[in-house]
Amino acid sequence: DVKVTQSSRYLVKRTGEKVFLECVQDMDHENMFWYRQDPGLGLRLIYFSYDVKMKEKGDIPEGYSVSREKKERFSLILESASTNQTSMYLCASSFSRGLYNSPLHFGNGTRLTVT
Amino acid sequence: GNSVTQMEGPVTLSEEAFLTINCTYTATGYPSLFWYVQYPGEGLQLLLKATKADDKGSNKGFEATYRKETTSFHLEKGSVQVSDSAVYFCALSTAGGGNKLTFGTGTQLKVEL
Repeated sequence: DVKVTQSSRYLVKRTGEKVFLECVQDMDHENMFWYRQDPGLGLRLIYFSYDVKMKEKGDIPEGYSVSREKKERFSLILESASTNQTSMYLCASSFSRGLYNSPLHFGNGTRLTVT
Repeated sequence: GNSVTQMEGPVTLSEEAFLTINCTYTATGYPSLFWYVQYPGEGLQLLLKATKADDKGSNKGFEATYRKETTSFHLEKGSVQVSDSAVYFCALSTAGGGNKLTFGTGTQLKVEL
């Protein structure tokens, strides 16, 4: 079974802090994604990556950046955390960008609170 | 662009009741359609999918049929259980979209004894 592991289940950070959310997958997947989940808004795509050192903006990239130095690891970075970034963050991976109907495998999420 | 519209919840049912959660979509191109489920405290997991018109996806007693003429992919189950209580997300992806999924807002299902 594919396992997507997010390093923290809960995080509490202060406004202005730099925040790192880590995600690791163990199935050699090419694609990795970061979504945020908010009540009434569903899941919104922040950033994604199809290969090492490659990244593309999703629908709501403002205030975020990402890093993919190794194939199995995809980090989400909040350069200067703000209260409107309080949310549930979900990492996902999938096999290949060429298989557009390949399912995504999700981690259990990191609930971030910015005070 | 792509979008998915789901019925708002929460939906509250008694055990063994029939479930329908409506999902309609708009897409540029020919989409693949998915239902994901999120149990309390967990991430999303794939429930079922369909990749072409009139396909029926099924899993764990849940079914959904890809209806191109009505751009719909409604989720159904004949007899729900308490253990089905979760949030259900409809989603789509399109060729050329690089396996990015567009999600609906989710529908919370509560099943009571």
